[in-house]
Amino acid sequence: GQNIDQPTEMTATEGAIVQINCTYQTSGFNGLFWYQQHAGEAPTFLSYNVLDGLEEKGRFSSFLSRSKGYSYLLLKELQMKDSASYLCAVLDSNYQLIWGAGTKLIIKP
Amino acid sequence: GAVVSQHPSWVICKSGTSVKIECRSLDFQATTMFWYRQFPKQSLMLMATSNEGSKATYEQGVEKDKFLINHASLTLSTLTVTSAHPEDSSFYICSARDGNHQETQYFGPGTRLLVL
Repeated sequence: GQNIDQPTEMTATEGAIVQINCTYQTSGFNGLFWYQQHAGEAPTFLSYNVLDGLEEKGRFSSFLSRSKGYSYLLLKELQMKDSASYLCAVLDSNYQLIWGAGTKLIIKP
Repeated sequence: GAVVSQHPSWVICKSGTSVKIECRSLDFQATTMFWYRQFPKQSLMLMATSNEGSKATYEQGVEKDKFLINHASLTLSTLTVTSAHPEDSSFYICSARDGNHQETQYFGPGTRLLVL
């Protein structure tokens, strides 16, 4: 079967760095997405990785290792507004998005 | 970036009535649209995938006669919740795939449905 695993909840301090991990087992792979979702809102796109390595975009970076079925989202200089759920999703061989359950990130002052 | 709109953003209805939700891609042609449902504190659940001009493909456990999906044009898909009941109260989100970029889905802002 297809499976995406990520931690349910993480807590971090304002100004610090946090890494949210995601492991996956899917039928085929056409890329991995990270989305941010604030409570009561639709997901917003953060990053897309299809090749191994690190993609940096401002305070957010995303890493992918296809051989390990592993990705992480790195958030630097955390701000209170970063409190949200972070969803990992993999595009399978049918270009269908397989979603993780999301990681709720709590930022403390 | 590409924009997807949903209408209405909020709807409250009585049990037994039908509710139609529209999803539009505003600046690109969406060959495929996806409908998701999200209950509080849970992840997105894919309900169905619709390709323009053809019947929608429903996920296991989703009643096709209850959740009617129409994707008659490259910019519009509709989801009709027929004979809605309180357990259908949820956050419904559509997303659209640009026909030229299969790897990317653009999400609408969501529609919150409350059935009394």
